[in-house]
Amino acid sequence: EVQLVESGGGLVQPGGSLRLSCAASGFTFSSYAMSWVRQAPGKGLEWVSAISGSGGSTYYADSVKGRFTISRDNAKNTLYLQMNSLRAEDTAVYYCAKDGQAVGAHQFDYWGQGTLVTVSS
Amino acid sequence: EIVMTQSPATLSVSPGERATLSCRASQSVSSNLAWYQQEPGQAPRLLIYGASTRATGIPARFSGSGSGTEFTLTISSLQSEDFAVYYCQQYDNWPITFGQGTRLEIK
Repeated sequence: EVQLVESGGGLVQPGGSLRLSCAASGFTFSSYAMSWVRQAPGKGLEWVSAISGSGGSTYYADSVKGRFTISRDNAKNTLYLQMNSLRAEDTAVYYCAKDGQAVGAHQFDYWGQGTLVTVSS
Repeated sequence: EIVMTQSPATLSVSPGERATLSCRASQSVSSNLAWYQQEPGQAPRLLIYGASTRATGIPARFSGSGSGTEFTLTISSLQSEDFAVYYCQQYDNWPITFGQGTRLEIK
């Protein structure tokens, strides 16, 4: 059974940093690209960042480029999101999501339960 | 960036009736289009990918159609558990983008 479990969310002051983790199990982690998708309170879904299965390619939304860094440890089956220079508008539930196919397409067939990040003084 | 526009924002339909949700892309995304369902407090669930292929375990009453810039999600006979928010997503180009969502409510 595929499982994605996020952790690391919490309350942080504007300008602060946080690192999210997503522990994966039930599939060959290194074979699939992974993404982070966020959802601000009462709002829609916003894709944040993606990383290829090998970790060699990364992609970012303009809203987080230069502030967030996605990475993965395939030996530990874990996805990360390092978030720096956090702003109030980064407040959201952050989901990790698995690509539905091993190569190419980036629809998300499994999602974690989400971890809440609140940026506030 | 490809902008995805969903309509209507809210759709009121009675149980047992058909619901038709629309999604338009600002430029062609070929068939690289997915639909998700999200219930309150839950993570999204993949319904359709490749514009028309049902994901594993998705009931046959859900169907997707379209290509290029115009897409439709049809729910043929609404069940109580289908009242939720639905999102379309394009994965043809980076950045991946979602529509703003359609809320399907009980009439």
